[in-house]
Amino acid sequence: KAGVTQTPRYLIKTRGQQVTLSCSPISGHRSVSWYQQTPGQGLQFLFEYFSETQRNKGNFPGRFSGRQFSNSRSEMNVSTLELGDSALYLCASRPDGNSNQPQHFGDGTRLSIL
Amino acid sequence: QKEVEQNSGPLSVPEGAIASLNCTYSDRGSQSFFWYRQYSGKSPELIMSIYSNGDKEDGRFTAQLNKASQYVSLLIRDSQPSDSATYLCAVKGTGTYKYIFGTGTRLKVLA
Repeated sequence: KAGVTQTPRYLIKTRGQQVTLSCSPISGHRSVSWYQQTPGQGLQFLFEYFSETQRNKGNFPGRFSGRQFSNSRSEMNVSTLELGDSALYLCASRPDGNSNQPQHFGDGTRLSIL
Repeated sequence: QKEVEQNSGPLSVPEGAIASLNCTYSDRGSQSFFWYRQYSGKSPELIMSIYSNGDKEDGRFTAQLNKASQYVSLLIRDSQPSDSATYLCAVKGTGTYKYIFGTGTRLKVLA
Protein backbone atom coordinates (compact mmCIF):
# COMPACT_ATOMS: atom_id res chain seq x y z
CA LYS A 1 0.00 0.00 0.00
CA ALA A 2 1.48 3.35 -0.99
CA GLY A 3 2.15 5.80 1.82
CA VAL A 4 1.28 9.46 2.08
CA THR A 5 2.62 11.30 -0.96
CA GLN A 6 3.56 14.96 -0.83
CA THR A 7 4.59 17.10 -3.77
CA PRO A 8 6.80 18.85 -4.44
CA ARG A 9 9.58 17.68 -2.11
CA TYR A 10 11.50 20.93 -2.30
CA LEU A 11 10.43 24.44 -3.17
CA ILE A 12 12.22 27.78 -3.27
CA LYS A 13 10.18 30.96 -3.34
CA THR A 14 10.72 34.64 -2.68
CA ARG A 15 8.92 36.90 -0.25
CA GLY A 16 5.48 37.98 -1.35
CA GLN A 17 4.88 35.01 -3.61
CA GLN A 18 2.32 32.31 -2.94
CA VAL A 19 2.70 28.55 -2.93
CA THR A 20 0.48 25.47 -3.15
CA LEU A 21 1.49 22.15 -1.64
CA SER A 22 -0.21 18.86 -2.39
CA CYS A 23 -0.87 15.76 -0.32
CA SER A 24 -2.31 12.40 -1.37
CA PRO A 25 -3.26 10.32 1.67
CA ILE A 26 -2.89 6.58 2.03
CA SER A 27 -5.57 4.85 -0.03
CA GLY A 28 -8.77 4.66 2.00
CA HIS A 29 -7.73 7.36 4.46
CA ARG A 30 -10.16 10.24 4.64
CA SER A 31 -8.61 12.47 7.30
CA VAL A 32 -5.70 14.70 6.34
CA SER A 33 -3.80 17.00 8.69
CA TRP A 34 -1.11 19.55 7.92
CA TYR A 35 1.81 20.55 10.16
CA GLN A 36 4.63 23.05 10.00
CA GLN A 37 7.94 21.94 11.46
CA THR A 38 10.77 24.33 12.29
CA PRO A 39 13.84 23.75 14.46
CA GLY A 40 12.71 26.19 17.11
CA GLN A 41 8.98 25.43 17.29
CA GLY A 42 8.73 21.73 16.58
CA LEU A 43 5.61 20.35 14.92
CA GLN A 44 2.86 22.95 14.81
CA PHE A 45 -0.66 21.95 13.77
CA LEU A 46 -2.08 23.90 10.84
CA PHE A 47 -5.44 22.27 10.08
CA GLU A 48 -7.27 19.01 9.59
CA TYR A 49 -9.72 17.99 6.88
CA PHE A 50 -12.21 15.17 6.83
CA SER A 51 -14.74 14.57 4.07
CA GLU A 52 -13.82 17.88 2.41
CA THR A 53 -14.54 19.84 5.62
CA GLN A 54 -12.05 21.61 7.82
CA ARG A 55 -12.64 20.28 11.31
CA ASN A 56 -9.90 21.99 13.24
CA LYS A 57 -7.48 24.86 12.72
CA GLY A 58 -4.29 25.81 14.48
CA ASN A 59 -3.06 29.27 15.41
CA PHE A 60 -1.78 30.40 12.05
CA PRO A 61 -2.66 33.57 10.15
CA GLY A 62 -5.23 33.57 7.38
CA ARG A 63 -2.43 33.46 4.80
CA PHE A 64 -2.42 29.74 5.43
CA SER A 65 -5.38 27.95 3.91
CA GLY A 66 -6.27 24.51 2.70
CA ARG A 67 -8.85 22.37 1.07
CA GLN A 68 -9.69 18.75 0.51
CA PHE A 69 -11.14 17.16 -2.57
CA SER A 70 -13.68 14.39 -2.92
CA ASN A 71 -10.90 11.83 -3.44
CA SER A 72 -9.40 12.91 -0.07
CA ARG A 73 -6.39 14.57 -1.66
CA SER A 74 -5.58 17.85 0.02
CA GLU A 75 -3.82 21.05 -0.87
CA MET A 76 -2.37 23.73 1.33
CA ASN A 77 -1.84 27.29 0.14
CA VAL A 78 0.30 30.00 1.67
CA SER A 79 -0.05 33.51 0.27
CA THR A 80 2.22 36.52 0.65
CA LEU A 81 5.14 34.40 1.76
CA GLU A 82 7.38 35.64 4.56
CA LEU A 83 10.90 34.60 5.49
CA GLY A 84 9.50 32.95 8.62
CA ASP A 85 7.44 30.57 6.51
CA SER A 86 10.59 28.63 5.66
CA ALA A 87 9.93 25.21 7.14
CA LEU A 88 9.21 21.57 6.52
CA TYR A 89 5.51 21.14 5.81
CA LEU A 90 4.18 17.73 6.70
CA CYS A 91 0.94 16.07 5.78
CA ALA A 92 -0.47 13.16 7.80
CA SER A 93 -3.42 10.92 7.12
CA ARG A 94 -5.53 8.47 9.09
CA PRO A 95 -8.41 6.26 8.08
CA ASP A 96 -11.49 8.13 9.24
CA GLY A 97 -13.04 10.16 12.00
CA ASN A 98 -12.13 7.65 14.72
CA SER A 99 -10.14 9.84 17.02
CA ASN A 100 -7.97 7.06 18.44
CA GLN A 101 -6.17 6.15 15.27
CA PRO A 102 -2.57 7.22 14.72
CA GLN A 103 -1.52 9.48 11.90
CA HIS A 104 0.93 8.49 9.20
CA PHE A 105 3.19 11.13 7.74
CA GLY A 106 4.38 11.87 4.24
CA ASP A 107 7.99 12.81 3.48
CA GLY A 108 7.14 16.50 3.60
CA THR A 109 7.74 19.54 1.44
CA ARG A 110 10.73 21.63 2.39
CA LEU A 111 9.92 25.25 1.62
CA SER A 112 12.65 27.86 1.53
CA ILE A 113 11.87 31.56 1.27
CA LEU A 114 14.56 33.86 -0.09
CA GLN B 1 2.61 25.22 30.76
CA LYS B 2 3.01 23.47 27.42
CA GLU B 3 0.35 20.95 26.50
CA VAL B 4 2.89 18.18 25.83
CA GLU B 5 6.36 18.42 27.33
CA GLN B 6 9.51 16.50 26.57
CA ASN B 7 13.10 17.01 27.59
CA SER B 8 14.90 18.15 24.45
CA GLY B 9 18.08 16.26 25.29
CA PRO B 10 20.33 15.11 23.88
CA LEU B 11 20.01 11.92 25.84
CA SER B 12 23.18 9.90 25.36
CA VAL B 13 23.27 6.18 26.14
CA PRO B 14 25.88 3.52 25.34
CA GLU B 15 25.09 0.82 22.82
CA GLY B 16 23.20 -2.05 24.43
CA ALA B 17 21.77 0.06 27.26
CA ILE B 18 18.15 0.95 27.93
CA ALA B 19 17.06 4.38 26.76
CA SER B 20 14.19 5.95 28.69
CA LEU B 21 12.25 8.80 27.11
CA ASN B 22 9.56 10.67 29.00
CA CYS B 23 6.61 12.85 28.11
CA THR B 24 4.07 14.69 30.26
CA TYR B 25 0.77 16.16 29.12
CA SER B 26 -1.63 18.68 30.57
CA ASP B 27 -5.06 17.52 29.32
CA ARG B 28 -6.23 15.04 31.96
CA GLY B 29 -8.92 13.69 29.66
CA SER B 30 -6.53 12.65 26.89
CA GLN B 31 -7.16 9.13 25.61
CA SER B 32 -4.68 8.43 22.83
CA PHE B 33 -0.91 8.57 22.97
CA PHE B 34 1.70 7.98 20.29
CA TRP B 35 5.46 7.80 19.92
CA TYR B 36 7.12 8.76 16.65
CA ARG B 37 10.75 8.51 15.61
CA GLN B 38 12.22 11.14 13.31
CA TYR B 39 15.62 10.83 11.73
CA SER B 40 17.37 14.03 10.74
CA GLY B 41 15.92 15.35 7.48
CA LYS B 42 13.15 12.75 7.43
CA SER B 43 9.49 12.70 8.40
CA PRO B 44 8.11 11.24 11.66
CA GLU B 45 7.53 7.48 11.68
CA LEU B 46 5.01 5.87 14.05
CA ILE B 47 6.59 3.52 16.60
CA MET B 48 3.89 2.86 19.17
CA SER B 49 0.32 3.71 20.09
CA ILE B 50 -0.98 3.28 23.63
CA TYR B 51 -4.44 3.91 24.99
CA SER B 52 -4.67 2.15 28.38
CA ASN B 53 -2.73 2.47 31.60
CA GLY B 54 0.20 0.10 31.89
CA ASP B 55 2.84 -1.22 29.54
CA LYS B 56 2.69 -2.13 25.88
CA GLU B 57 5.60 -3.97 24.33
CA ASP B 58 6.62 -4.26 20.68
CA GLY B 59 10.00 -5.81 20.07
CA ARG B 60 12.67 -3.69 21.74
CA PHE B 61 10.19 -0.91 22.45
CA THR B 62 7.93 -0.58 25.50
CA ALA B 63 5.47 2.25 25.97
CA GLN B 64 4.25 3.01 29.48
CA LEU B 65 1.19 5.07 30.28
CA ASN B 66 0.12 6.50 33.64
CA LYS B 67 -2.99 8.63 33.22
CA ALA B 68 -3.21 9.52 36.91
CA SER B 69 0.23 11.11 36.76
CA GLN B 70 -0.26 12.31 33.19
CA TYR B 71 2.88 10.89 31.72
CA VAL B 72 3.81 8.48 29.00
CA SER B 73 7.24 7.01 28.48
CA LEU B 74 9.11 4.99 25.88
CA LEU B 75 11.78 2.46 26.77
CA ILE B 76 14.19 1.20 24.13
CA ARG B 77 16.03 -1.95 25.17
CA ASP B 78 19.38 -2.98 23.71
CA SER B 79 19.81 0.47 22.15
CA GLN B 80 21.60 0.55 18.81
CA PRO B 81 23.36 3.41 17.04
CA SER B 82 20.58 3.21 14.45
CA ASP B 83 18.14 4.27 17.18
CA SER B 84 19.80 7.69 17.25
CA ALA B 85 17.01 10.05 16.28
CA THR B 86 14.52 12.51 17.71
CA TYR B 87 11.55 10.89 19.44
CA LEU B 88 8.27 12.76 19.39
CA CYS B 89 5.42 12.22 21.82
CA ALA B 90 1.92 12.98 20.51
CA VAL B 91 -1.30 13.23 22.49
CA LYS B 92 -4.86 13.32 21.23
CA GLY B 93 -6.71 15.79 23.43
CA THR B 94 -10.24 15.74 24.74
CA GLY B 95 -13.04 16.88 22.47
CA THR B 96 -10.78 17.75 19.58
CA TYR B 97 -9.49 16.14 16.41
CA LYS B 98 -6.10 17.75 16.99
CA TYR B 99 -2.97 15.84 17.87
CA ILE B 100 -0.53 17.79 20.03
CA PHE B 101 3.15 17.03 19.61
CA GLY B 102 5.96 17.58 22.04
CA THR B 103 9.13 19.21 20.72
CA GLY B 104 10.91 15.87 20.87
CA THR B 105 13.86 14.31 22.67
CA ARG B 106 17.07 13.78 20.75
CA LEU B 107 18.58 10.38 21.49
CA LYS B 108 22.21 9.55 20.78
CA VAL B 109 23.32 5.95 21.09
CA LEU B 110 27.09 5.76 21.40
CA ALA B 111 28.88 2.82 19.79
